[in-house]
Amino acid sequence: GDSVTQTKGPVTLSEGTSLTVNCSYETKQYPTLFWYVQYPGEGPQLLFKVPKANEKGSNRGFEATYDKGTTSFHLQKASVQESDSAVYYCVLDASSGSWQLIFGSGTQLTVMP
Amino acid sequence: EAAVTQSPRNKVTVTGGNVTLSCRQTNSHNYMYWYRQDTGHGLRLIHYSYGAGNLQIGDVPDGYKATRTTQEDFFLLLELASPSQTSLYFCASSGGTGYYEQYFGPGTRLTVL
Repeated sequence: GDSVTQTKGPVTLSEGTSLTVNCSYETKQYPTLFWYVQYPGEGPQLLFKVPKANEKGSNRGFEATYDKGTTSFHLQKASVQESDSAVYYCVLDASSGSWQLIFGSGTQLTVMP
Repeated sequence: EAAVTQSPRNKVTVTGGNVTLSCRQTNSHNYMYWYRQDTGHGLRLIHYSYGAGNLQIGDVPDGYKATRTTQEDFFLLLELASPSQTSLYFCASSGGTGYYEQYFGPGTRLTVL
């Protein structure tokens, strides 16, 4: 079945350092891939999505490339800020008829000032 | 701005108790969802609906019922609550499935003693 595996947290970084959150996926179809972010006390919200293989998505300085060859969708940011502290979820839409979202387990990021 | 609200925000009940969680969306979306969020599991889909009177089973439906009374309102029912259902519950809505963005509510924290 469909699955998503991402970096196990928690991850703690200092402001200004770079971030990579690894994400790999398994599916039989051609999914849309998403990164969702969840700030403390809130529900998840879409960071960005990429519907096509070999394309890049980006938002708020975060970016990820949909790599069909390696089935990866790693999240990167060159210089993190304290306000980036949140939980990040790698997500794909299921290949079954329902096309519902499959969430990874989430990566907790804490950025220290 | 998309809007999904949930009530109550916190609920404590005892084993065997009845609980109803409420969700309302003002996005005019057809699809609504109930998820549970647990450490190490990300978000898991319990039930979803694509319109008033419709109900679809998600990935972890055991012990839960749901009802969609209008386009705006979606309820999650726990008729014999168990401690294993202690969790953070999120409702979401979307305009469609697959690559459509899902908009999440703020969550309801349920504790079953």
